[in-house]
Amino acid sequence: EDQVTQSPEALRLQEGESSSLNCSYTVSGLRGLFWYRQDPGKGPEFLFTLYSAGEEKEKERLKATLTKKESFLHITAPKPEDSATYLCAVQAADYKLSFGAGTTVTVRA
Amino acid sequence: DAGVTQSPTHLIKTRGQQVTLRCSPKSGHDTVSWYQQALGQGPQFIFQYYEEEERQRGNFPDRFSGHQFPNYSSELNVNALLLGDSALYLCASSFGTDGTEAFFGQGTRLTVV
Repeated sequence: EDQVTQSPEALRLQEGESSSLNCSYTVSGLRGLFWYRQDPGKGPEFLFTLYSAGEEKEKERLKATLTKKESFLHITAPKPEDSATYLCAVQAADYKLSFGAGTTVTVRA
Repeated sequence: DAGVTQSPTHLIKTRGQQVTLRCSPKSGHDTVSWYQQALGQGPQFIFQYYEEEERQRGNFPDRFSGHQFPNYSSELNVNALLLGDSALYLCASSFGTDGTEAFFGQGTRLTVV
């Protein structure tokens, strides 16, 4: 069975304090790894798709990287508006998406 | 361009009742997937519809059923509601069944009492 584990569960940062979120996975035939941002009471918002080990993608203060067993989401110099829950999902060979439980990031001004 | 829209936004039902949730996909998308998200958890895949047929299904009982219409919109039906069915139900649309860059709606918050 495909498994996605995200750590830490919660992260409290001071504005400007860079940090990383981890997503470790076991999946049968990885087709892609997805990162989403979710604000309270709303649906997930697509951030990145990574397809192969070594791939990196950036968007504003966020940078996602992928290895054969895990992915990292780096937040550089975060601002309060970066506060959200960040979800990682893997797509298996059968195209099903399996999500992790997420990391809730709180950035204090 | 309207994104994925879901209705209703909130719903309260009694145990044993039946509920229907609705989803209109993003313009140009032909595939709809449904997810259940319990509080503090990630979304769990329920099923996916493409060309009006259920193409994939997660580990959910037959009480959960769905439908896709010719205009690609979709419904999720849940029969014999249990307290444990209380959750945020999310609809995601994409072009094709490979799930690439799926766009999610705001969700329907279902509370079963």
